Amino acid sequence: NAGVTQTPKFRVLKTGQSMTLLCAQDMNHEYMYWYRQDPGMGLRLIHYSVGEGTTAKGEVPDGYNVSRLKKQNFLLGLESAAPSQTSVYFCASSYFRDSMNTEAFFGQGTRLTVV
Amino acid sequence: AQSVAQPEDQVNVAEGNPLTVKCTYSVSGNPYLFWYVQYPNRGLQFLLKYITGDNLVKGSYGFEAEFNKSQTSFHLKKPSALVSDSALYFCAVKARRGSTLGRLYFGRGTQLTVWP
Repeated sequence: NAGVTQTPKFRVLKTGQSMTLLCAQDMNHEYMYWYRQDPGMGLRLIHYSVGEGTTAKGEVPDGYNVSRLKKQNFLLGLESAAPSQTSVYFCASSYFRDSMNTEAFFGQGTRLTVV
Repeated sequence: AQSVAQPEDQVNVAEGNPLTVKCTYSVSGNPYLFWYVQYPNRGLQFLLKYITGDNLVKGSYGFEAEFNKSQTSFHLKKPSALVSDSALYFCAVKARRGSTLGRLYFGRGTQLTVWP
């Protein structure tokens, strides 16, 4: 029972490089989220999706793009990485709003360093 | 603006004493409320939630939380703290309706330290 799986777990990028973080969930959840965690800042929402084919901006969307072509996958892209994007990235998923089981499940995180 | 506030960056308590970690929110439309815990170098783990009904909810590891609608608060409590409870705790709020439907807001986190 995998839950939420993030790949890769670690990555070092040079400034200006691009990459894609993959989030996969096997719980048939409608909602998926990408957060970044920085010391003293808590979790800040980058983008989220309320269903296949839909995405929405969160608090800190600049410099990131996302896609949800399949219900189980939520991709986060960095087109031109900057040192300010050095962070730990977490993906999460949850059921639809009217479900009693509406808590989010988190992946183990991706530690990204941009040099 | 919609937000979640955890007014204390750190809470320190002695083992065996009760603990409280505070959370207030400003999210419209009667949102869902959650507490999560994070241990070093790990993802977030769900502790408990308020959906509807009784204002006192019980969760994992002996934690409970009290919902107060008039004060828009959802404080996390435990009657007797353990050293193993030391971790980073996050309050989260999920919008039930409106333009931010499904959006999950987090506080900045409170570092709980329980000393022997």
